[in-house]
Amino acid sequence: AQTVTQSQPEMSVQEAETVTLSCTYDTSENNYYLFWYKQPPSRQMILVIRQEAYKQQNATENRFSVNFQKAAKSFSLKISDSQLGDTAMYFCAFMRYTGTASKLTFGTGTRLQVTL
Amino acid sequence: GAVVSQHPSWVICKSGTSVKIECRSLDFQATTMFWYRQFPKQSLMLMATSNEGSKATYEQGVEKDKFLINHASLTLSTLTVTSAHPEDSSFYICSASERRLHNEQFFGPGTRLTVL
Repeated sequence: AQTVTQSQPEMSVQEAETVTLSCTYDTSENNYYLFWYKQPPSRQMILVIRQEAYKQQNATENRFSVNFQKAAKSFSLKISDSQLGDTAMYFCAFMRYTGTASKLTFGTGTRLQVTL
Repeated sequence: GAVVSQHPSWVICKSGTSVKIECRSLDFQATTMFWYRQFPKQSLMLMATSNEGSKATYEQGVEKDKFLINHASLTLSTLTVTSAHPEDSSFYICSASERRLHNEQFFGPGTRLTVL
């Protein structure tokens, strides 16, 4: 079974600053995907970024980037130029690659507060 | 594209009654749908996975007779909470995926269930 650990229950960052959210995972699989999801107060789950395990290059999406360390089983999210709208719960998630739809295993989440 | 809707967005019912929640993929055919449950300030816990035209696969500890899942078409899955009790009060979220969309899960906005 896979496990996903987010060791930071809450974090705070000032607007325009940079913050890094941590995530580690445990798996015996070699082919898998990792995700960061954002859940704002509306509770709608929004995909922030996705990383395929076979890709060495770290994924980036505008202000969001990841540091994927496969050997260390670490997958951190960096948010640059933080904005008030980034305030949300952030969940790290793992999905096995099976060729078809597979379930997501979520971490416990990190609540990020962006302040003025 | 890739929009998923849920209905209702919130529901209040009396203890002992049954409640049906619908999950629809609006602009794609979802070969697989997932149902999650989220308690306040907690992560998403997978309840079951359903593939169109076949029986749902339930996660360990989820009562299949209490949480009935039907995936009758490629655009609709329903979750029926039978004989609801106050401890069933929670936020229920569905997601849908399709192979041509790289099996990414697209989430519905969730349904808040309150059982009195």
